Amino acid sequence: AQSVTQLDSQVPVFEEAPVELRCNYSSSVSVYLFWYVQYPNQGLQLLLKYLSGSTLVESINGFEAEFNKSQTSFHLRKPSVHISDTAEYFCAVSDGDYKLSFGAGTTVTVRA
Amino acid sequence: DAGVIQSPRHEVTEMGQEVTLRCKPISGHNSLFWYRQTMMRGLELLIYFNNNVPIDDSGMPEDRFSAKMPNASFSTLKIQPSEPRDSAVYFCASSPPSGGLGGYTFGSGTRLTVV
Repeated sequence: AQSVTQLDSQVPVFEEAPVELRCNYSSSVSVYLFWYVQYPNQGLQLLLKYLSGSTLVESINGFEAEFNKSQTSFHLRKPSVHISDTAEYFCAVSDGDYKLSFGAGTTVTVRA
Repeated sequence: DAGVIQSPRHEVTEMGQEVTLRCKPISGHNSLFWYRQTMMRGLELLIYFNNNVPIDDSGMPEDRFSAKMPNASFSTLKIQPSEPRDSAVYFCASSPPSGGLGGYTFGSGTRLTVV
């Protein structure tokens, strides 16, 4: 069975500073990895995903994540955050079947 | 596409009352999921349907919870009788036949408060 650990529950950051959200997974088979974002009072939205190929994946709003098989990690980064990036971020893993296993979430608070 | 549509957005009910949450998945998606989100337990998968058939209901907390999917465009989650500890945000999500590879599309959720 797969599982996900998000190492930070809260990440405060100043506007225009970089941010990194850490995610480690455990799985006995091939994995597919996802980051979701949840803005206040909204549902989860897919931010980016790794299925195969290049280990570096990017989103349209400047986030990127790198799949590291040896370290079983899929950390999310953004070089310069905006106030609008304030949200909760969830890492998730699938072994290809229907089930996504979610981490506990990391709350990012961006301050001016 | 309007995305996954859930109703109501907010529900406040008294303990012991029946509560019904509704979900309309994205057209063409054949998998549907009900999740519950609380501060204490995070996101919990309650039940998974594939092609309208319940495949995995191991996350349903107890017999007070039931879910149905009478057709490909509609699902309900019912709690009877409701209890204060059922207070949470309930999300419905759907995914296309690629399943876990495509990721899920979530609805905006129903915030349930049982007083």
